[in-house]
Amino acid sequence: QQQVKQSPQSLIVQKGGISIINCAYENTAFDYFPWYQQFPGKGPALLIAIRPDVSEKKEGRFTISFNKSAKQFSLHIMDSQPGDSATYFCAASIARNQFYFGTGTSLTVIP
Amino acid sequence: DAGVIQSPRHEVTEMGQEVTLRCKPISGHDYLFWYRQTMMRGLELLIYFNNNVPIDDSGMPEDRFSAKMPNASFSTLKIQPSEPRDSAVYFCASSFSSGGGTEAFFGQGTRLTVV
Repeated sequence: QQQVKQSPQSLIVQKGGISIINCAYENTAFDYFPWYQQFPGKGPALLIAIRPDVSEKKEGRFTISFNKSAKQFSLHIMDSQPGDSATYFCAASIARNQFYFGTGTSLTVIP
Repeated sequence: DAGVIQSPRHEVTEMGQEVTLRCKPISGHDYLFWYRQTMMRGLELLIYFNNNVPIDDSGMPEDRFSAKMPNASFSTLKIQPSEPRDSAVYFCASSFSSGGGTEAFFGQGTRLTVV
C-alpha cells in the first residue's frame, strides 16, 4: 500500500515557468514532510521540508504548501531552470525515523 | 564525514547467483534504511534498523532477501538466489533520531542487473 501518493509522474515546463508537484497522504501520525531531489546516477538529497503546524515554507525558488485538513502538500518551483531537471520525491515520516516516499516526478525544464 | 557509502556502485550477476550489497552509514546515525528504486514502483522501503536491530522488514519482497547490521557502521543486503526481476537500484540511507532528528541521508546507490 502506497503511504504517500504523488502526481504527476512526469512534468515538462518551459524555462521561467512554475513547476507544481502534488502529494497526498492518509496517516495523520505523519509529522514531517520532506521533498527530495534526485539527479541521474545520484541518491536522493533533501531539498526542503515542512512540519504540519506550518501551511507554507519557502526557500529561494522552492515553496512547500501544506494543507493539513486535506492531507495534501505540494512543491512549487518558481522560475524553473534547466538545472532543476531531476526526479522529485515527496515523503512523509513519523518522528523522522521511518520515511515513506512517493513514486517520484520526473521534471524536465526546457530552455 | 563522507556521507553514506555503498558498494559496489554497479553489479551485474547471473540469475541464481548470490548478491551482497554493502552500506556504511554516517557515523553516529542510529537509523539505517534499505530502499529499492524501480521505474514502476519508485522508492520502496525494504527494511530499516534502529541501533543495529531490524525494526520493520515488511517491505522485503520475499525470503530470498535478507539484511543484517552486525555493528553501527556496516550493513548488508543479500539476495540469494537472484532473479532478473530483482534488477533495480538499491539505496541505503541513514538518519539520526535524537534532538528532533534529521532527514534521511542517501548513498549513491548500487545498480543491480540480474541477467
